[in-house]
Amino acid sequence: QIQLVQSGAEVKKPGASVKVSCKASGYTFTFYDINWVRQATGQGLEWMGWMNPHSGNTGYTQKFQGRVTMTSDNSISTAYLELSSLRSEDTAMYYCATLYMAQPFWGQGTLVTVSS
Amino acid sequence: SYELSQALSVSVALGQTARIDCAGNNIGSKSVQWHQQKPGQAPVVVIYRDKNRPSGISERFSGSNSGNTATLTISRAQAGDEADYYCQVWDSNFWVFGGGTKLTVL
Repeated sequence: QIQLVQSGAEVKKPGASVKVSCKASGYTFTFYDINWVRQATGQGLEWMGWMNPHSGNTGYTQKFQGRVTMTSDNSISTAYLELSSLRSEDTAMYYCATLYMAQPFWGQGTLVTVSS
Repeated sequence: SYELSQALSVSVALGQTARIDCAGNNIGSKSVQWHQQKPGQAPVVVIYRDKNRPSGISERFSGSNSGNTATLTISRAQAGDEADYYCQVWDSNFWVFGGGTKLTVL
């Protein structure tokens, strides 16, 4: 079955960077985009962007342009989200998701806490 | 940019039918997904491409989409259906989410 397994929780200081991983299984990793969505505590879902593992092409929402990088290591079917210049407002749960045969599948989420 | 609107909350009596709406300009021309999120858990898709149920999702969940409104219908509501529900569409390559509706089963 299709699974997306994310890395564990992170605690970072303001100004630092964080890199979250998302390991895919159960399908051909390079065939489908990986999307990243975040959710602050008590808030709704906020889509951050996508990347295509085959081509390396990416698309980011304007809000995160210049601070976000989405990459992949296709040899291990793993996608990465890197967010730099962290601030307290970036404290949130970060989810990866893919669209397999038109059906979305979600990772379990990674909590990133930004605190001095 | 494309926007989706949802009511903040919907209540339904146990065993009755709940309807959660998602409004967007000509949303009927787009493919709508519905994501269920229970407290402390990751979202789970309950409807995709307007009306398709993933394997393992109860047949009590159904979806429709026409004009400017998409609707998630939950029949014979159970206590376990209490959750936040988010509608979502694709606008070009972008995912767009509604603000979410909290379903309370009374």
